[in-house]
Amino acid sequence: YVVTQPPSVSVAPGQTARITCAGENIGRKSVHWYQQRPGQAPVLVVYDDDNRPSGIPERFSGSNSGNTATLAISRVAAGDEADYHCQVWDSSSDHFVFGTGTKVTVL
Amino acid sequence: QLQLQESGPGLVKPSETLTLTCSVSDDYISSSGFYWVWIRQPPGRGLEWIGSIYYTGSAYYNPSLKSRVTMSVDTSKKQFSLRLNFVTAADTAVYYCAGEMATIHYFQWWGQGSLVTVSS
Repeated sequence: YVVTQPPSVSVAPGQTARITCAGENIGRKSVHWYQQRPGQAPVLVVYDDDNRPSGIPERFSGSNSGNTATLAISRVAAGDEADYHCQVWDSSSDHFVFGTGTKVTVL
Repeated sequence: QLQLQESGPGLVKPSETLTLTCSVSDDYISSSGFYWVWIRQPPGRGLEWIGSIYYTGSAYYNPSLKSRVTMSVDTSKKQFSLRLNFVTAADTAVYYCAGEMATIHYFQWWGQGSLVTVSS
C-alpha cells in the first residue's frame, strides 16, 4: 500500500495550512498524523482521522474521505514549521505504512 | 509516563550487524497492553516501520526488511532489541524505538532516536 504526500507546503502566518495524504481508498482506513520538528522525534498530533491527543491544540484537525486524508493547521505560527507524516495500518499485509512526509514552511 | 531510550553503537561497518536496544521505563515492557516498535528515518527522508514485538516475543516485520531483521524482548532488563544483518550504506538512519497500545495501530510514545552510520 502506497501513501503519497506533497514534499512541501508554504503558508503565511495566521492562515491555514492543509497537508494531504493520498492513497487508494484511504477513506476506509484510519489515518494518523505526526509532527516532527528538526532534530526531534515525531509527535502524534492527530489519530484515527480526526482525534487529538491530550495537549495538542484545537488548531490541529484532520479529515479523511475517498482517496485523500487531510491535516489542517489553522492560525499557523512559526512554531508550526516542521515535517508532517501521515501513517496508516495496512490490514491486507499486516504492516504499518508512512507517507513520504511534508515540510511545512511559514512564510 | 512511559519513556523510551535507545542505545547502541553509532557506527557499523558494511556487511556487519547493527544492534540497538531500547530501555522502557517502569514495568510497561511486561504489560499485555503494548507492542514495542522500531522505526527508522534515513537522512532527509521519511519514516519507515521496521517491526513490532509483543512482550511474549511474538514479532512481525516489514516485508522489505524481514530477511535481515530480528527483534527480541528481555522483560527482566525492561528492554527490547533490534538486530539488522548485512548492513549497507542504505541502512544509515536515525533509529527510533516506539510504543503502541495494542491494536490501536499508531504510536503514542517515541524515544529520542539514535543515529547509526554504516561506513568502513
